[in-house]
Amino acid sequence: DTAVSQTPKYLVTQMGNDKSIKCEQNLGHDTMYWYKQDSKKFLKIMFSYNNKELIINETVPNRFSPKSPDKAHLNLHINSLELGDSAVYFCASSQVPGAGNTIYFGEGSWLTVV
Amino acid sequence: AQSVTQLDSQVPVFEEAPVELRCNYSSSVSVYLFWYVQYPNQGLQLLLKYLSGSTLVKGINGFEAEFNKSQTSFHLRKPSVHISDTAEYFCAVKSNTGKLIFGQGTTLQVKP
Repeated sequence: DTAVSQTPKYLVTQMGNDKSIKCEQNLGHDTMYWYKQDSKKFLKIMFSYNNKELIINETVPNRFSPKSPDKAHLNLHINSLELGDSAVYFCASSQVPGAGNTIYFGEGSWLTVV
Repeated sequence: AQSVTQLDSQVPVFEEAPVELRCNYSSSVSVYLFWYVQYPNQGLQLLLKYLSGSTLVKGINGFEAEFNKSQTSFHLRKPSVHISDTAEYFCAVKSNTGKLIFGQGTTLQVKP
């Protein structure tokens, strides 16, 4: 069973559209994250939720809205997609956000905006 | 502020040769260091991590890393690489808030 699963894996869409990426973890973790990997493969955190509460928001445009219906799910909704949103988006999870806890990543969602 | 610098963007190496991927960190607080691997078109997989204790950390797939506080380094090594080790490798430091701060990544290219 996949520990952190996200769908879809590949998504091609036009500018201006609204899209969502879903994420689920079956590890029993309290904390979930969204990371963005740009075209130069640089990885940066976008959001973090602990037990459905937003704890990290890294100055991401408000077109991006995470939603956590329960602690096992963290979905990412993107409004009015722009070309610059093309990237790989990784969902991840960990136990409580202590510094020593390992963060487990999903397989990534490749978003291409045309 | 914490930061990570991976000194090599690409490391080409022949199969069965040893390899070292370099990582330096900057942190004014206790450090928790990680190495992740990303195979082509896949997610990130943890190779190893340093939290405390022994400075030599062994990970999966024959990799190991050494924490050097005086040099603020956490270099990744493998004595003999395989073609299947071709991937992107990321060094990361964990902040007190729990977020991972990644280096720029190193592409390991193993040639036959």
